[in-house]
Amino acid sequence: GAVVSQHPSWVICKSGTSVKIECRSLDFQATTMFWYRQFPKQSLMLMATSNEGSKATYEQGVEKDKFLINHASLTLSTLTVTSAHPEDSSFYICSAQDTEAFFGQGTRLTVV
Amino acid sequence: GQNIDQPTEMTATEGAIVQINCTYQTSGFNGLFWYQQHAGEAPTFLSYNVLDGLEEKGRFSSFLSRSKGYSYLLLKELQMKDSASYLCAVRDNTNAGKSTFGDGTTLTVKP
Repeated sequence: GAVVSQHPSWVICKSGTSVKIECRSLDFQATTMFWYRQFPKQSLMLMATSNEGSKATYEQGVEKDKFLINHASLTLSTLTVTSAHPEDSSFYICSAQDTEAFFGQGTRLTVV
Repeated sequence: GQNIDQPTEMTATEGAIVQINCTYQTSGFNGLFWYQQHAGEAPTFLSYNVLDGLEEKGRFSSFLSRSKGYSYLLLKELQMKDSASYLCAVRDNTNAGKSTFGDGTTLTVKP
């Protein structure tokens, strides 16, 4: 089946710094990718829809200036958490849609 | 918008059968997914239903009734490794495949 690769798997950063997470669709072209966040023992919450060649669509309550999304090609979307704070510590997961949604491995972000 | 309900927790015995229910309300339906998620890992795809009826795939089956806004995931011959969270997700037809997830059902399989 289709594979979505997400990198890095985990990252620890200092408060105030920025972190970039990459999501690649390895064997299909994804005009749309989705970024989710998952806090412990909670479900996946959609943060934004990443559209190739255009601006991302953010869900209500998600700060677009804090969570920068770039979808420059049909196989790559990036999420940059800017000026990270401890409350941004979470599990971030991307997905790309073919017939079904394929998920990346997830990135566990810890802000200290 | 979408509203998805599934039980929070279930417990079953190894070798048994368990059914996890999911009810949903949506303004535009374009398919229902079931995912398995082990702690600390990303979800993995189990099944996809877009038409009414039962889809069988090995030990796992999924059923959909669009008129009732209802689905279930059936797990047979339970194994210890089936202990995980099971997520029901509904894709809408108004925004290019955006899916909304239920809170997940944590299944514990006991010996």
